[in-house]
Amino acid sequence: AQKITQTQPGMFVQEKEAVTLDCTYDTSDPSYGLFWYKQPSSGEMIFLIYQGSYDQQNATEGRYSLNFQKARKSANLVISASQLGDSAMYFCAMSNSGYALNFGKGTSLLVTP
Amino acid sequence: NAGVTQTPKFQVLKTGQSMTLQCAQDMNHEYMSWYRQDPGMGLRLIHYSVGAGITDQGEVPNGYNVSRSTTEDFPLRLLSAAPSQTSVYFCASSYSYRVSGSPLHFGNGTRLTVT
Repeated sequence: AQKITQTQPGMFVQEKEAVTLDCTYDTSDPSYGLFWYKQPSSGEMIFLIYQGSYDQQNATEGRYSLNFQKARKSANLVISASQLGDSAMYFCAMSNSGYALNFGKGTSLLVTP
Repeated sequence: NAGVTQTPKFQVLKTGQSMTLQCAQDMNHEYMSWYRQDPGMGLRLIHYSVGAGITDQGEVPNGYNVSRSTTEDFPLRLLSAAPSQTSVYFCASSYSYRVSGSPLHFGNGTRLTVT
C-alpha cells in the first residue's frame, strides 16, 4: 500500500521566517506525483504545489517550494517569508499508478507575530 | 467559475436514516472522488469515478454508494447512517486520473453529524 507520512503534528514559526514541513512517502511505482494542499480554518482545500517523480528540478510556486529528495523518498514543503495567513493545516499527498490521491495526516502550522 | 459544488454544507441525521450528498463540477473533469476527513486521520478515499458509468471503491467504502450517470454529477449516498459516519465529506475532481500534475479541485465540504 502507498503511504504518506507527516511526522510533525504541529509547527510554530515566526512571521517572515522560513519553515519546512516534512513529508516522506513509500511507493514501489517509478511514476508518481506529489502534491501539497493547504486547509485554512475555514475548511476548504487549496492546492499549493506539485512535483512529478521524473521532474529534474524542485517545484516552486511563489513562496512555496518543494524540496524533493527522491533517494530518501521525501518531499518537504518549504514556505519562505511566512505570513500570518499561512496558519493552516498542510497535507502532503501522492498519486501513482492507481486512481487515488493518498493523503498524509497533516501538519498544523501556526505563524506568530 | 463554480468549480466543484457540494450540497448541503451541514446535515444532521438520526441513526438509520438515509441521505444523498450532492456533488457537481462544471470543468468537464473525467475523475471525481469522495473523501472523508476525520480528526487526526487526514483524508480517506471513499469512492471514485474515472468517467460516466464507471465507479470503484476506495479505502473506506462500507456504508456508502455512488453512481455517475453524467460527467458533471457524482452523488454519495448513505444507506443507513451510523454515528461512525459523522465526518466532513469532500468531493473532488481532476482533469485526469493518470499520474500527472493535474491537481484535485475540492468542493467546500459537507459537515455531517449522525446522532
